[in-house]
Amino acid sequence: QQPVQSPQAVILREGEDAVINCSSSKALYSVHWYRQKHGEAPVFLMILLKGGEQKGHEKISASFNEKKQQSSLYLTASQLSYSGTYFCGTTSGSGAGSYQLTFGKGTKLSVIP
Amino acid sequence: DGGITQSPKYLFRKEGQNVTLSCEQNLNHDAMYWYRQDPGQGLRLIYYSQIVNDFQKGDIAEGYSVSREKKESFPLTVTSAQKNPTAFYLCASTSLHGGQPQHFGDGTRLSIL
Repeated sequence: QQPVQSPQAVILREGEDAVINCSSSKALYSVHWYRQKHGEAPVFLMILLKGGEQKGHEKISASFNEKKQQSSLYLTASQLSYSGTYFCGTTSGSGAGSYQLTFGKGTKLSVIP
Repeated sequence: DGGITQSPKYLFRKEGQNVTLSCEQNLNHDAMYWYRQDPGQGLRLIYYSQIVNDFQKGDIAEGYSVSREKKESFPLTVTSAQKNPTAFYLCASTSLHGGQPQHFGDGTRLSIL
């Protein structure tokens, strides 16, 4: 099943903060976050692994609640360059299943001056 | 620089025609993936491969075929059986060491003539 992202869209002014949520009905092994600009390839932002290890970069943070099967992406002091569609991708279980990502439908973020 | 190369960037298909989308990577990744992206639908998995000469169907494999004769290459054929092929197609790859991100190519936009 596809993870559910919320909100579907959000408009921010520069400098404002935003939270994007990703929720799954299945037990999760990892959550991946990507940002995609229109017509371009998704760009990796962050991975959160079961057990708490986090891998990422840039000034964006995230959390992973394994019990609730949820992850949240936090964007603080937003910049115009943050605009795009944010996708979460989830993996479940271990072994072969841990390498297949199931993506949510995305959250469109627009940052305006 | 290492990366994933997809070609062509734009492709047009006539009725009853098969077309092949190319995907090449020089990242020495074992796993490769094909996704289809439609507006508002996120990324949906078509096929994936974790080893040469082996591949698995994803969620929407009908009307598509793949091959994995070399580690670096994972071409996707959109057959005439795929009645609604117009979409943005993305190829990705990843290492099979745990907790690694997927790296995406720049995509191929396929349209019907």
